[in-house]
Amino acid sequence: EAQVTQNPRYLITVTGKKLTVTCSQNMNHEYMSWYRQDPGLGLRQIYYSMNVEVTDKGDVPEGYKVSRKEKRNFPLILESPSPNQTSLYFCASSLGVNSPTQLYGYTFGSGTRLTVV
Amino acid sequence: QKEVEQNSGPLSVPEGAIASLNCTYSDRGSQSFFWYRQYSGKSPELIMSIYSNGDKEDGRFTAQLNKASQYVSLLIRDSQPSDSATYLCAGTNFNSGGSNYKLTFGKGTLLTVNP
Repeated sequence: EAQVTQNPRYLITVTGKKLTVTCSQNMNHEYMSWYRQDPGLGLRQIYYSMNVEVTDKGDVPEGYKVSRKEKRNFPLILESPSPNQTSLYFCASSLGVNSPTQLYGYTFGSGTRLTVV
Repeated sequence: QKEVEQNSGPLSVPEGAIASLNCTYSDRGSQSFFWYRQYSGKSPELIMSIYSNGDKEDGRFTAQLNKASQYVSLLIRDSQPSDSATYLCAGTNFNSGGSNYKLTFGKGTLLTVNP
């Protein structure tokens, strides 16, 4: 089954304790991205990756790191989590460009609900 | 700041009615538009994509795009209680900046279909 797999689904941690949220896709997609979803703010992009070893910041990258060493994996790293990073996180992947004016849609993972206390 | 705005709702319709969801976008260069459905506590699920002006139909769903008015809509015919969810509109202008296939999402409209 084509899917984006995130782990863990739920995580409660303490301020300052490094954590990693894993993301893996089995669709051979080149493009991967992380979003966070907060009430009243909607979905906001954190980081994205065009391909292996190619990553860049989205709209809200502060406090996050990513890496893309393999095409299928795109982990999100919080080096020193803070309570304002309490959120619902989604990893997404896409084939990218369908034509010069058409972008394929994203496939989202199941989400990780993170609480930082 | 490029934005996608949706009528905030919530929207409530009776079973069997047509639900109409609307979205406007600020980036005139946006080329690809999507509607996602998100059930409470679940991830967004792609239901429609639209790239050209006009209507695109898929089963009970019709997406409409008007680039001159910078307006996207989603009609759900014969609404069912199982359609009750938050609907997210998203757009992208991936040619600006060249490399970030970022979808900009609206905040969503909560639809409730009453039996």
